[in-house]
This record gives sequence, structure tokens and C-alpha cells, in this order.
Amino acid sequence: QVQLVQSGSELKKPGASVKVSCKASGYTFTSYGINWVRQAPGQGLQWMGWINTNTGNPMYAQGFRGRFVFSFDTSVSTAYLQISSLKAEDTAVYFCAREVLTMGYRFDPWGQGTLVTVSS
Amino acid sequence: SYELTQPPSLSVSPGQTASITCSGDNLGEKSACWYQQKPGQSPVVVIYDDNKRPSGVPERFSGSNSGNTATLTISGTQAMDEADYYCQAWDSSTVSVGFGGGTKLNVL
Repeated sequence: QVQLVQSGSELKKPGASVKVSCKASGYTFTSYGINWVRQAPGQGLQWMGWINTNTGNPMYAQGFRGRFVFSFDTSVSTAYLQISSLKAEDTAVYFCAREVLTMGYRFDPWGQGTLVTVSS
Repeated sequence: SYELTQPPSLSVSPGQTASITCSGDNLGEKSACWYQQKPGQSPVVVIYDDNKRPSGVPERFSGSNSGNTATLTISGTQAMDEADYYCQAWDSSTVSVGFGGGTKLNVL
């Protein structure tokens, strides 16, 4: 079955970097883009952007340009989210999700989420 | 970014109908989808392309979209439907995905 499995929780100090992985299985990795969504504690879903796994072209939403980098490795069907210069306000669960295009645009499935905690 | 607005919470009794709205500029001209998220879990699609149900989603879930408002309707709401619900749409003018702020559905 189609599945996205993310890496485990991370505890980082302010100013450090973190790299979250998202391993895809059950489908052709390069046929679907990967989106990233942030959910701060007790808050809603915030779209961070997506990466085209065919062309390699990333698109970053407002507020996620500069310190956030999307990448992937097709040889292991894995997408990555790297965040640099971490701040306390980056503490959140980060989800990857496969894009599905029909009449509309939806995310299906989602990874299980990776909790990134930024604390000194 | 594309802004979508949902009521923060809604309470219904078991067996009643729950209607959750999602408002956005010209939302009816786009395709909306809805996610259910239970505590500690990832979101799951319950409605896509305005009114389509993925396989495995109960028939009591339905959707509509017209004007500036999309609506998720749960008929005969059950205790297991208690969750957060998010609407989402793609906006080509801002080239962005918008999520609603989420509606906490209480079944009591």
C-alpha cells in the first residue's frame, strides 16, 4: 500500500539544524510531488510548500523561504526537509504528504509526522 | 497565501447532523477537500473534489461547494467522528495551498 514513513522525533538547541526524512513506498516516487505541512502545538495545519520529484523544482510558501530546504534522493525514494538556524517557534510536528491531482489538489497519504522540539 | 475560514468548534449530539463550513474568496470556483485529524494522528482525507468520498469513508460524510463556501456534512454523527476537521484548496492566483484554521467537532 502507498505509505510515507518519517524519521523520529528530534530535540535541538536554538541555532542548530535538523533534517527530517520521509520515505515513500508503494508507488513510483517520481510520479507525485511531496508537500510539507507544519503543525505547531495545539494549532492548525500550515502549508510549507512542495517539491516536484520529477524536475527537482521546489516551491516555498510565504514564511518558509530562506531557512527551509526541500530535497530528495530518488535512489531511496526519500524526501527531506532541512531547517537551519532553528528557533523556539520552529517547535512543531512536521508532516510530509503526497500530492494527488484530480479536479482538485489533495494530500494523500500523509506521513506519521516528526516532532521537532527546539529548546536550550 | 489563500485564506480559508472555519468556525473553531461545533458541538452536536449523537445521531444529529453536523455541518462544518469553510469560507474563502471564490471558493466555489476551486475544488475543496476535507481532512479529519484525531489526536496524535495524521490528517486523513474524508472528502475531495468538493463531494467525493475516498473508499473506506462512511457514507454519512458528504460535501458541497458553491459561491464562497464549502460545507462538510456528517449525517447521523457518531462518537467516533469526534475530531478536528480541516478544509483545503489550491489557489492558482496565489499559487498556494490554503488550509482552514480547523473545526473541533464535539459529539456529546
